[in-house]
Amino acid sequence: GAVVSQHPSRVICKSGTSVKIECRSLDFQATTMFWYRQFPKKSLMLMATSNEGSKATYEQGVEKDKFLINHASLTLSTLTVTSAHPEDSSFYICSARAAGGPYEQFFGPGTRLTVL
Amino acid sequence: QKEVEQNSGPLSVPEGAIASLNCTYSDRGSQSFFWYRQYSGKSPELIMSIYSNGDKEDGRFTAQLNKASQYVSLLIRDSQPSDSATYLCAVNSGGNEKLTFGTGTRLTIIP
Repeated sequence: GAVVSQHPSRVICKSGTSVKIECRSLDFQATTMFWYRQFPKKSLMLMATSNEGSKATYEQGVEKDKFLINHASLTLSTLTVTSAHPEDSSFYICSARAAGGPYEQFFGPGTRLTVL
Repeated sequence: QKEVEQNSGPLSVPEGAIASLNCTYSDRGSQSFFWYRQYSGKSPELIMSIYSNGDKEDGRFTAQLNKASQYVSLLIRDSQPSDSATYLCAVNSGGNEKLTFGTGTRLTIIP
């Protein structure tokens, strides 16, 4: 149980393009999903908290117009990196918290984004 | 600023020995505590959660919580090379759903 998937697992794109990453909870409903970014050999950095049916809450320093988050259903959240630049290259990981459950988060496998 | 502190390591432990990982946190209101394992290039995987003082055992893993000392630890018995990874301590302080992560301890099990 508590499986979270992400798609794609790896993406390479040209500078200036937009990239959409999907995060799905496969066997549970997730009222809350989280988006993290992790640079090589660095710790996880929370980007935003996403609640189903409402606007995402972004962490300080994260540009909400650049990182668009949509949480359309209890099992799906998407992160769109708009006008990507090489400095956006990173490992993007989503996690989900089960509706009504404890605060533990289950992580997806991550998406490695490389912007050329 | 709510903080979670971990020794970054690397921590080297011989195969078969006990690995001990430690974590301290600054917010006395913290209520939920988690240990995640992260292999290089992979995402974190939840291995233990603990909510009350004392020990919680799950297979070779034991989590220990001492709220008075604001200290949580993870013991790994009979360490295996496959336990080599970075271990992340995470804390929830209540009031919101976010977890505060430590920077992780890199553990290497030496065959």
